[in-house]
Amino acid sequence: DTAVSQTPKYLVTQMGNDKSIKCEQNLGHDTMYWYKQDSKKFLKIMFSYNNKELIINETVPNRFSPKSPDKAHLNLHINSLELGDSAVYFCASSQDATSAHTQYFGPGTRLTVL
Amino acid sequence: GENVEQHPSTLSVQEGDSAVIKCTYSDSASNYFPWYKQELGKGPQLIIDIRSNVGEKKDQRIAVTLNKTAKHFSLHITETQPEDSAVYFCAASGGYGNNRLAFGKGNQVVVIP
Repeated sequence: DTAVSQTPKYLVTQMGNDKSIKCEQNLGHDTMYWYKQDSKKFLKIMFSYNNKELIINETVPNRFSPKSPDKAHLNLHINSLELGDSAVYFCASSQDATSAHTQYFGPGTRLTVL
Repeated sequence: GENVEQHPSTLSVQEGDSAVIKCTYSDSASNYFPWYKQELGKGPQLIIDIRSNVGEKKDQRIAVTLNKTAKHFSLHITETQPEDSAVYFCAASGGYGNNRLAFGKGNQVVVIP
């Protein structure tokens, strides 16, 4: 199936730990994104990569570090997890970043920090 | 940057009735307006989109209208069915060189059988 996939789907961890979420798209897209959805369902962009280069970096704590090893993958590493990091994290991809194209979302990773 | 307002925040309709969700945007340069549906436990899925050179677009029971002068756009769902129950997000993005989507806060639609 062509899609945007994320692992893991659920992540429960203790405060202070470091964790990673992985994302892969097989749509042949150049641009990938990370969004955070809070408990009120608000979707906020965190990062965007185009052809492995960072192009959007919103005001996100530097405990969050995205990494794009290639166009098809965008991972998110979070250091020193805090309670406020609990949310659903969505990866998305689009054809490119030069004009308005549809963004396709992954199924999400629900992160719970205890 | 772009600011998208979406209302109402929740909407309950009887099965078979129509549902309308309205959004306003602030940046007159925005030219792409997608609508996403998010079912429980899933990621948002595009259901319809419209570009600024078009005033209305339909796809079966779903339609979107755009008023560029007033900077608002609306989603219309006719003959609602229980599977239409979900959270719906409107979004807007700018022209060349700006693919950043600004999302509305979402609208919970409940279709009552």
